[in-house]
Amino acid sequence: GAVVSQHPSRVICKSGTSVKIECRSLDFQATTMFWYRQFPKKSLMLMATSNEGSKATYEQGVEKDKFLINHASLTLSTLTVTSAHPEDSSFYICSAPERGRGGDTQYFGPGTRLTVL
Amino acid sequence: GENVEQHPSTLSVQEGDSAVIKCTYSDSASNYFPWYKQELGKGPQLIIDIRSNVGEKKDQRIAVTLNKTAKHFSLHITETQPEDSAVYFCAATRPLSGYSTLTFGKGTMLLVSP
Repeated sequence: GAVVSQHPSRVICKSGTSVKIECRSLDFQATTMFWYRQFPKKSLMLMATSNEGSKATYEQGVEKDKFLINHASLTLSTLTVTSAHPEDSSFYICSAPERGRGGDTQYFGPGTRLTVL
Repeated sequence: GENVEQHPSTLSVQEGDSAVIKCTYSDSASNYFPWYKQELGKGPQLIIDIRSNVGEKKDQRIAVTLNKTAKHFSLHITETQPEDSAVYFCAATRPLSGYSTLTFGKGTMLLVSP
C-alpha cells in the first residue's frame, strides 16, 4: 500500500515552546490529509482536515490557534503545536487518502509521540 | 453523524484459534469499512477493507464480512499467531466531496498466547 511518513517520531519540549510535526505522502499526492490525536488505550480522535492550498477544517473543540496546520504541497502537511503545555502531551498521527477505484483508502503515518515537560 | 460500536474491547485466544471482532454502524449511507491493526507505539496499519457492494472479502488468514441490512461488519482472523497481538480498529465512512472522514470504533485489544 501507499506510504505516509511522519517526522519526528518522538519529541520532548519545554512548556511554552512550539513544536512542528511533518506528515508526508511518499509515493502519492494528497490534496487532503488528516490529523489525529490518540490518548493511551483510546481510539483515534480526529483533530482537523488539512487541505492543500486552503485553510484547514478543525473539529469541534480543537483550538485552531493552538494547533496550526499548513498544507504546503501535495505531499506535505505540517502540524504546529504552539505554546505547548503538559496537557498537549499525546500521540499525534496523520493520515492521507489515496485515490483509487471505488473511493479513497486512508493510510496512516507512524505517529509522533509528543512529551511536554 | 456516524457512530461505530466495536466489541469486544479485549479478546484473548490461544495460538491457532480463530478470533472475531464485531462492529456496528449507525449511518446507513456509510459505504466503506476498513480495519486497522495498531501495534504499541506505531500508527494504524490497514489490513483489510470492504465496500458496500460486496458482502465478504478474504485475504489469507483475514476476512471481513458485511451485513448492510443489519448495519454490522466483522473481522475474522483464523489460525492466530502471537504476532497478531495488537489493537484492532474498525471504521466506517461515507465519502463526501472526494475525500472520506473515518469514524472509528473504540478498538479491540487482541492477545494471542503461544
